[in-house]
Amino acid sequence: GENVEQHPSTLSVQEGDSAVIKCTYSDSASNYFPWYKQELGKGPQLIIDIRSNVGEKKDQRIAVTLNKTAKHFSLHITETQPEDSAVYFCAAGSGGYQKVTFGTGTKLQVIP
Amino acid sequence: DAGVIQSPRHEVTEMGQEVTLRCKPISGHDYLFWYRQTMMRGLELLIYFNNNVPIDDSGMPEDRFSAKMPNASFSTLKIQPSEPRDSAVYFCASSLWGEAFFGQGTRLTVV
Repeated sequence: GENVEQHPSTLSVQEGDSAVIKCTYSDSASNYFPWYKQELGKGPQLIIDIRSNVGEKKDQRIAVTLNKTAKHFSLHITETQPEDSAVYFCAAGSGGYQKVTFGTGTKLQVIP
Repeated sequence: DAGVIQSPRHEVTEMGQEVTLRCKPISGHDYLFWYRQTMMRGLELLIYFNNNVPIDDSGMPEDRFSAKMPNASFSTLKIQPSEPRDSAVYFCASSLWGEAFFGQGTRLTVV
């Protein structure tokens, strides 16, 4: 089955700096890569996703890049703000969402 | 829509008791997922349904766990008998195309 590794497990940045979270996956058939943000006491919420026919996708301060050859993808958050503090999960799957495998999560702390 | 609704939000039970977690998916969504989240194992998919039919239950840890979806607007996850190692946050999620929407979760503590 799919195996997703995520690094780092914790990340502290100063407000305004950029944050980068990296994930690798094992199944070459995976073609759907969502990123979720989980705030304390809440369920994960999709913030951005990318499919294998696209190498990069941006949404305001958030961007995701995908390298299918190397089987890795990354989340980039620019101009970080305190409200970006949360746990971020990457995931990988094939087909639709139906069976994605989640990474272990990155706890991001943005220091004001 | 109010989103995915789970109940109860918190459950404390004694070892050996039966526990039932409930989920109401977003209206119109045809996929429903049950996840378990722990510090040690992260987010694990337990089972998912499509159009009320269980498609993959390979993530269900033991026969003590069972899930049902009697109709499009309701699902249950039952643990019988419960054990302390079942303590975790259990999430229900639903989807239509791609994006899955998660509920707030049920924090289960088995003492």
